[in-house]
Amino acid sequence: KNEVEQSPQNLTAQEGEFITINCSYSVGISALHWLQQHPGGGIVSLFMLSSGKKKHGRLIATINIQEKHSSLHITASHPRDSAVYICAGHGGSQGNLIFGKGTKLSVKP
Amino acid sequence: DAGVIQSPRHEVTEMGQEVTLRCKPISGHDYLFWYRQTMMRGLELLIYFNNNVPIDDSGMPEDRFSAKMPNASFSTLKIQPSEPRDSAVYFCASSRDRTYEQYFGPGTRLTVT
Repeated sequence: KNEVEQSPQNLTAQEGEFITINCSYSVGISALHWLQQHPGGGIVSLFMLSSGKKKHGRLIATINIQEKHSSLHITASHPRDSAVYICAGHGGSQGNLIFGKGTKLSVKP
Repeated sequence: DAGVIQSPRHEVTEMGQEVTLRCKPISGHDYLFWYRQTMMRGLELLIYFNNNVPIDDSGMPEDRFSAKMPNASFSTLKIQPSEPRDSAVYFCASSRDRTYEQYFGPGTRLTVT
């Protein structure tokens, strides 16, 4: 069983819709990252959070440490948001990242 | 800052050949990470360094893989001999501290035929 689980694996939305991607982890982590990877492109770090909520533009990330759960929300989605979104937890005391399998988002115009 | 720099961006080589991937981290970042991404396994940590010292290499697949960081501004990942199953995208990332966000390079797409 993967220590970091994401859902859904694939998501198709219409432009303008509110989108939620979920991430659950079974190991103790000190922080959680949300990453974005565009097709054929590199990886960009969107958020790193260890508690509460962070917002950047139309993106919002939340984490509940007790429930070992984090969500990434996209408001007013746009086709340019189409990408793979990956959550990753900082595992243990060494600093290495434990990755989820990613959620492939496709936003249709 | 130019961000994390990786070279080459694409590498095609024949089985058995030696492959060297290069990474220049962001100046001032004390941590450097090497990752591999495949369709089957997603992103995997191979090895990471703190202040040029390898800390955890448990993700290195086998003895054919080796990584070095001779100074704070340069690291290499070497595969010798290469095999077709090594075909993947290899990412380098750096961060200021182990709990800080990581900045990823553009990746090197390796194809071993």
